Amino acid sequence: DAGVTQSPTHLIKTRGQQVTLRCSPISGHKSVSWYQQVLGQGPQFIFQYYEKEERGRGNFPDRFSARQFPNYSSELNVNALLLGDSALYLCASSRSDITGISSPLHFGNGTRLTVT
Amino acid sequence: GENVEQHPSTLSVQEGDSAVIKCTYSDSASNYFPWYKQELGKRPQLIIDIRSNVGEKKDQRIAVTLNKTAKHFSLHITETQPEDSAVYFCAAEVDSGYALNFGKGTSLLVTP
Repeated sequence: DAGVTQSPTHLIKTRGQQVTLRCSPISGHKSVSWYQQVLGQGPQFIFQYYEKEERGRGNFPDRFSARQFPNYSSELNVNALLLGDSALYLCASSRSDITGISSPLHFGNGTRLTVT
Repeated sequence: GENVEQHPSTLSVQEGDSAVIKCTYSDSASNYFPWYKQELGKRPQLIIDIRSNVGEKKDQRIAVTLNKTAKHFSLHITETQPEDSAVYFCAAEVDSGYALNFGKGTSLLVTP
């Protein structure tokens, strides 16, 4: 039974460039969330999508955007990359849009983004 | 945004001892509190979670307690083993359940 899969695993970009990260949720999960984890910190919420609609957005600039496809997979886009965008980007899926006992978040292994 | 404070940031115990990690939260509307374990280079994995209508939950060597009035919750690991060594994150539901706010993590080291 496959878990949450993310691609690529590692990425190196230059300041000002754009990046697209991809995520496939666990089969049967309709919600995908994106989190940013800076080294030594806890994950920080970026977006949640459910049934292709944005349900929540964290405190991130408009350079960050995302979308969810009919098969529930998702992409996170970051434009005009800054050095401070270097982080582990985690995707998580859950059964419903409300996180809870019956619908916990399951994380993927993440994409390590380095901006030089 | 709402904050989750986690203490201690590092914890070293001997194998067989107990470990306790404490978290406080500020959003009184939070009703769901999961704990995640993250080993080096790996994904955060859910180890236990609790809802606000329950004061304590136990799963083998792991237990979580919640005091909703005081807005704090704790993770208790008994009979620690070297494989318990990892970073542990507490989290609290925010934004009506659409997101989790995470603490900064506790690096637990269990020495044989």
